Amino acid sequence: QVQLQESGPGLVKPSETLSLTCSVSGGSVSSGSYYWSWIRQPPGKGLEWIGYVSYIGSTEYNPSLKSRLTISVDTSKNHFSLRLNSVTAADTAVYYCARVGRGYNYGFWFDPWGQGTLVSVSS
Amino acid sequence: DIQMTQSPSSLSASVGDRVTITCRASQSISNFLNWYQAKPGRAPKLLVYAASIVQSDVPSRFSGSGYGTEFTLTISSLQPEDFTTYYCQQSDSSPWTFGQGTKVEV
Repeated sequence: QVQLQESGPGLVKPSETLSLTCSVSGGSVSSGSYYWSWIRQPPGKGLEWIGYVSYIGSTEYNPSLKSRLTISVDTSKNHFSLRLNSVTAADTAVYYCARVGRGYNYGFWFDPWGQGTLVSVSS
Repeated sequence: DIQMTQSPSSLSASVGDRVTITCRASQSISNFLNWYQAKPGRAPKLLVYAASIVQSDVPSRFSGSGYGTEFTLTISSLQPEDFTTYYCQQSDSSPWTFGQGTKVEV
């Protein structure tokens, strides 16, 4: 079964760039049947969809983050990545990666998810 | 953005109870509504997609229904492992958005 695992620094300084990678095992990011997505949850708050990337590198971003955001895919390493520029304390959150299932007349859904990684923005 | 509102925000229940959680969308989202179960420190789990299709590895006590702007997640007989937080999520239009969560407590 497909498993996803986030990795990256747990602490980032304000104004710097947050970079995370999601490694996929038991499946391939080259599958055209899925997208690959990032979601975050600030402490004590709800879930926020960040964006997704397809296997050919096409993307869809949350407009609230679009100006600072890059999501990319590396099929040779079977992983996808998140870069968020100019971070502030408001970007402190647990960051999850997830596979996006899709179906005509069914919409899109996140399954499975990674376990999540806490990223704190602080000097 | 489409706003998703869950009710209640929390509820108290006992093992064996029938529990219903409601999710309302600020505009019609057809059947593009999913439900997730989230436990602290663990990967959130998809329970239901397209409003009523229960994911294959999910116990049959979970069910979903609804269309348009109002949706429900029902747990027919609450089990000890079900005491946690549940989220709805719409995929009708970008940005995809989540409800604020419903915490099911003892």
